[in-house]
Amino acid sequence: KQEVTQIPAALSVPEGENLVLNCSFTDSAIYNLQWFRQDPGKGLTSLLLIQSSQREQTSGRLNASLDKSSGRSTLYIAASQPGDSATYLCAVPFNQAGTALIFGKGTTLSVSS
Amino acid sequence: GAGVSQSPRYKVAKRGQDVALRCDPISGHVSLFWYQQALGQGPEFLTYFQNEAQLDKSGLPSDRFFAERPEGSVSTLKIQRTQQEDSAVYLCASSPYRVSYNSPLHFGNGTRLTVT
Repeated sequence: KQEVTQIPAALSVPEGENLVLNCSFTDSAIYNLQWFRQDPGKGLTSLLLIQSSQREQTSGRLNASLDKSSGRSTLYIAASQPGDSATYLCAVPFNQAGTALIFGKGTTLSVSS
Repeated sequence: GAGVSQSPRYKVAKRGQDVALRCDPISGHVSLFWYQQALGQGPEFLTYFQNEAQLDKSGLPSDRFFAERPEGSVSTLKIQRTQQEDSAVYLCASSPYRVSYNSPLHFGNGTRLTVT
């Protein structure tokens, strides 16, 4: 059974720092991996989707990497800003049909000004 | 509206009551999903619709949970005889395509259910 783990559970940094969030998964036979952002009281917004054949995806100050063989993904946030404060979740498809995603518990990031 | 709309935003129910949670997906979206998110946890899959057909309900935790999407647009998640462990945020998501593992998902803001 696929399990997704995220560490740390919470992270506090001062504005301007670069930071890395970690995601690990137990079954390396994944089709892709997504990173989502969730603001308090809100739904999820997709940030980046990495295909299983890719190593990296970038969007602005965000860079996500994927190492299937080791069952790991990282989300790198450059020059963090207070507006980056949110919970970040990673998820993998449950099956090829994609009818379900399996999520980690998330990392709650707080960036202070 | 432009996004997925869920109502009510908050629902308080006494244990044993029935509740109905509504999801209005983005117009024209074929696929619709329900997820349950307990406090401090990631969302967990409940069920999936393609148009009006419920193709996957493997995540529904018990037979007290029932979902429908009779006309292929609005969906309702019904919970009968609510229990305290049902307290969670219920998220709805839709996608413009028949689902595949690459389908983009658009999430609503959720309904927070508290069972007292």
